[in-house]
Amino acid sequence: SQELEQSPQSLIVQEGKNLTINCTSSKTLYGLYWYKQKYGEGLIFLMMLQKGGEEKSHEKITAKLDEKKQQSSLHITASQPSHAGIYLCGADGDSNYQLIWGAGTKLIIKP
Amino acid sequence: DGGITQSPKYLFRKEGQNVTLSCEQNLNHDAMYWYRQDPGQGLRLIYYSQIVNDFQKGDIAEGYSVSREKKESFPLTVTSAQKNPTAFYLCASSPRTSDDTQYFGPGTRLTVL
Repeated sequence: SQELEQSPQSLIVQEGKNLTINCTSSKTLYGLYWYKQKYGEGLIFLMMLQKGGEEKSHEKITAKLDEKKQQSSLHITASQPSHAGIYLCGADGDSNYQLIWGAGTKLIIKP
Repeated sequence: DGGITQSPKYLFRKEGQNVTLSCEQNLNHDAMYWYRQDPGQGLRLIYYSQIVNDFQKGDIAEGYSVSREKKESFPLTVTSAQKNPTAFYLCASSPRTSDDTQYFGPGTRLTVL
C-alpha cells in the first residue's frame, strides 16, 4: 500500500528565514494536497499539485511536485509567526475517494 | 458564508456512553468524510459517504457508526465499543468533481473520562 513520509517531523526556524518541508511517496503521486493546521483546529487547504514538475505559489508559500511525481516540497520564504503550525500532505490513494496522509511537520517560528 | 461546521468543539463523556458528533456543510458537496487524528499521526479515515443514504467504512470503522440522511449532514456516533475514543475528530467534504479537494471543519476534541 502507498505511504507518505514527511520530513522533517518538526522544525524550528528563526523568523525571516526560509525553510523547506518534504513529502515523499512510495508510489507515483496522481494528486498531492498540502494543508496547514493550527493546533486544535481544522485543516486549511493550501495547494494541490497533479503534474510532474508543477509548481504553485500562494503568498510566500511555494509547492512543487518533482518530475517523477514521487516527491513534493513546500518552501516558505521569509518565514513569519503566522506560518507556524502543522503542515500535512495528502495524496490520492489506491482506493477511490480516499486520501493517504503524511504524519505532518510541526513548524515553530522563533521571533 | 459557505463552510463546514462541527459541534461541539469540546466533548467530555464517561466511559461506556455513546456520543454523537455533528457535522454540517452548506457547500453543496456530495462527499463527506470523518477522520480521527491522534498526536504525531496522520489522519485516519473512519467513514466516508459519496451520496445521500450511502456510506462506506474507512480504515478504522470499528466502534463507530454514521448516517447520511441529508446531503448537508453526516453525524458520527462513537459507541461504547470503541476501545480508545479519546481523540480529535475532523469532518471534511468534497465536491466529487475533477477537482476533488477536501475541505475541513474545525474539529471536535472528544475526551472520555
